[in-house]
Amino acid sequence: GAVVSQHPSRVICKSGTSVKIECRSLDFQATTMFWYRQFPKQSLMLMATSNEGSKATYEQGVEKDKFLINHASLTLSTLTVTSAHPEDSSFYICSARASDSTTNEKLFFGSGTQLSVL
Amino acid sequence: AQKVTQAQTEISVVEKEDVTLDCVYETRDTTYYLFWYKQPPSGELVFLIRRNSFDEQNEISGRYSWNFQKSTSSFNFTITASQVVDSAVYFCALSEARMDSSYKLIFGSGTRLLVRP
Repeated sequence: GAVVSQHPSRVICKSGTSVKIECRSLDFQATTMFWYRQFPKQSLMLMATSNEGSKATYEQGVEKDKFLINHASLTLSTLTVTSAHPEDSSFYICSARASDSTTNEKLFFGSGTQLSVL
Repeated sequence: AQKVTQAQTEISVVEKEDVTLDCVYETRDTTYYLFWYKQPPSGELVFLIRRNSFDEQNEISGRYSWNFQKSTSSFNFTITASQVVDSAVYFCALSEARMDSSYKLIFGSGTRLLVRP
């Protein structure tokens, strides 16, 4: 089946540093990728939608300058948390929609990244 | 606006019991999709099922079954003869069936299922 690889699975960083999270579709092309954030024991909240070759669309309340999203190819999207602070500590999950899918039937999730900012 | 409600925060059952996880949704669209995902302690999301709003047939997959009732806007998930490995958080989600990429999945708050031996 389709696989989405997300790295790193866990990262601990100091406050003020930047952290990059990668999301790769391994065996399919993904025009659209989604980034979610999940706080402990809470649901997934969509942060932004990234489309290959264009600017990401951010959800209301998400700082685009803090959460930089790049979707430079059909198989890779990155989320960079800039100048991370302890309140950014969370579980981040990406999902990728296959390019030949016009709806959500081919939407696959990565395994998530647990970010801890000290 | 779209909304997904999973009223059960946590459910605890003993192994081999049947358990039903409730999901109620709100949408003004006539065409939409409903999903169930499983999130085990390891964190990844595991796709369980996708249902088109035009297809109200119930579905059974092994010990899993889903009851889609459009009249009550519900999409409930039943696990028969539960097992310890079923312990996880289960999310119900809703998306609009748009042709462009502007859609998004709206997740419910999740139901934590604990199956005790």
